[in-house]
Amino acid sequence: AQSVSQHNHHVILSEAASLELGCNYSYGGTVNLFWYVQYPGQHLQLLLKYFSGDPLVKGIKGFEAEFIKSKFSFNLRKPSVQWSDTAEYFCAEEAGGYSTLTFGKGTMLLVSP
Amino acid sequence: DGGITQSPKYLFRKEGQNVTLSCEQNLNHDAMYWYRQDPGQGLRLIYYSQIVNDFQKGDIAEGYSVSREKKESFPLTVTSAQKNPTAFYLCASSELGNNYGYTFGSGTRLTVV
Repeated sequence: AQSVSQHNHHVILSEAASLELGCNYSYGGTVNLFWYVQYPGQHLQLLLKYFSGDPLVKGIKGFEAEFIKSKFSFNLRKPSVQWSDTAEYFCAEEAGGYSTLTFGKGTMLLVSP
Repeated sequence: DGGITQSPKYLFRKEGQNVTLSCEQNLNHDAMYWYRQDPGQGLRLIYYSQIVNDFQKGDIAEGYSVSREKKESFPLTVTSAQKNPTAFYLCASSELGNNYGYTFGSGTRLTVV
């Protein structure tokens, strides 16, 4: 069975600090990767996705993620966080297409003003 | 606007009662999914359906049942056999092949007392 590991359950940063959230996936074949965000009281939204091509993908609100196949990693980054980035972030993989998403346990990010 | 509607937003039931959570989408998506979200556990797949009148068990299907009689509807029944039913339930949909990720509903918080 596929699994997704997110390294940190809770991260606390000050505004303007740089962010990197770790994500490792398990599937060894063709894989689609996603980052979702859940702001307080809101539904899950897609931040960005990787299917193929350029391993550095850019998403909404200044987020980006890098797919490193050799490390089975898909880390999320943002150069400078804002208070409004406070949310829970979920990494997910889809193995081989026409499959279902397997989610990590999530990372709660708190940005202090 | 297209989207997914889950109802109700909050639901309280007595232990031993079955309860059905509603999920409707007007996105014309073929696939629909039910996930359960618990603090620190991420999202875990309960059931999914890729076509009308067909559905598959996810990772934690025990104690749950679903039906898919119409493309736009995918109700979830939490039965009395589910040992820990209190949770946040999320419904999602996608096009087959999932090239655009999932669209999520706003969720139903079920509390069993």
